[in-house]
Formats: sequence, structure tokens, C-alpha cells
Amino acid sequence: KQEVTQIPAALSVPEGENLVLNCSFTDSAIYNLQWFRQDPGKGLTSLLLIQSSQREQTSGRLNASLDKSSGRSTLYIAASQPGDSATYLCACNKGNTPLVFGKGTRLSVIA
Amino acid sequence: EAQVTQNPRYLITVTGKKLTVTCSQNMNHEYMSWYRQDPGLGLRQIYYSMNVEVTDKGDVPEGYKVSRKEKRNFPLILESPSPNQTSLYFCASSFGPTFRAEKLFFGSGTQLSVL
Repeated sequence: KQEVTQIPAALSVPEGENLVLNCSFTDSAIYNLQWFRQDPGKGLTSLLLIQSSQREQTSGRLNASLDKSSGRSTLYIAASQPGDSATYLCACNKGNTPLVFGKGTRLSVIA
Repeated sequence: EAQVTQNPRYLITVTGKKLTVTCSQNMNHEYMSWYRQDPGLGLRQIYYSMNVEVTDKGDVPEGYKVSRKEKRNFPLILESPSPNQTSLYFCASSFGPTFRAEKLFFGSGTQLSVL
């Protein structure tokens, strides 16, 4: 059964710092992997989706990479801002199965 | 504005009193699903629907029912709620199933407390 792990569970950084969030999964035969952002009291917002044939995706200051062979994905946030403070979740699936979510990393960017 | 709308946002009820949480999307999405989010357990899928009149169980379907009579609506029904169904519930939709690399769009959530 697929398990998705995100470490650390919480992270606090000063504004302007570049940072990396980590996601690991046990079954490398995934179809795709998504990174989401969750703000308190709100739903999840899809940030980036990487298909199994891709190595990375970029959107603005965000870059997500995927290494299926090692079972890892990273979300790189450049020049962090207080508005980036949120919980970031990764999720992946294989075949016609539900997305399996990690428990998330709670990010605080301090002004 | 493209969105997934859930109602209500907050609900407090008592054990055994049937309730329905509504979900509607205005993006003409075929795929809709329900998740619950619990501390320490993360997000888990309850039910999903590939299209009208097509529904299937997710990881934790016990105690829940769904229906998909119209493309835009996917209500979640708890016929006899129990305290272990106290949770934060999310409805989500996408053009196609997630294994076809479709981005998921989430509603704002429904915080349910069963006393």
C-alpha cells in the first residue's frame, strides 16, 4: 500500500529565504504527483502537477521535481514571503486508485 | 468564478440524526469526490464519481452514502452519524480522474461535529 511521508512536519524560515519541502513515497510506480497548498479554514489549492514521465514543473517562484526511482519529490520555493505561510501537501496515485496524501508540512515565513 | 461550493461550512448534530452535505461545481467536471481530513491521519477519500450515475467507494466509505444524479452535484449523506464521523470534509472535482493527471479543485470544507 502506498505511503506518502512529508518531513519536516513544520518549518519556520525568515522572509526572503529559499526553501525546499520534501515528499517521499513507498511505491515508485506512480502515475502522477500533485503539490497542494492548504490555508487555515480553506480548502486545498493545486499548485503543481507532475506526470510520471516528467522530471519537474515550474510556476512562478515554485518548482517541483520528481525522482520516481528514489521515491521522492521536492517543492522548491524561491524568495519566500509571509503570504507563502500555509500547509503544503503532496499526493500521488497509481492506476485507478484514490490519491494518497501526505500529512503535510506547515510552513511559517517570518517577516 | 470557477468553484466548488460546499454547504454548510459548519455543522453540529447528534448521533443518529440523518444529514446531507451538499457539493456543487460549476466547471462541468466529470469527476467528483469526497474526502475527510483528520489530525494525524491526513486526507482520505470516502467516495468518488466518474460521471453521472457512476459512483464508487474510496478508502473509508463505511457510514456514508453518495449520489450523482446531475453532473454538477455530488451530495454526501450520513444516514446515522456517529461521533467517529466528526471530521473536516472536503468535496473535490476535476475534468477527469486523478490518475489521468487532472488537477483537483477543492471546496472550502465542512467541519462536522457529531455529539
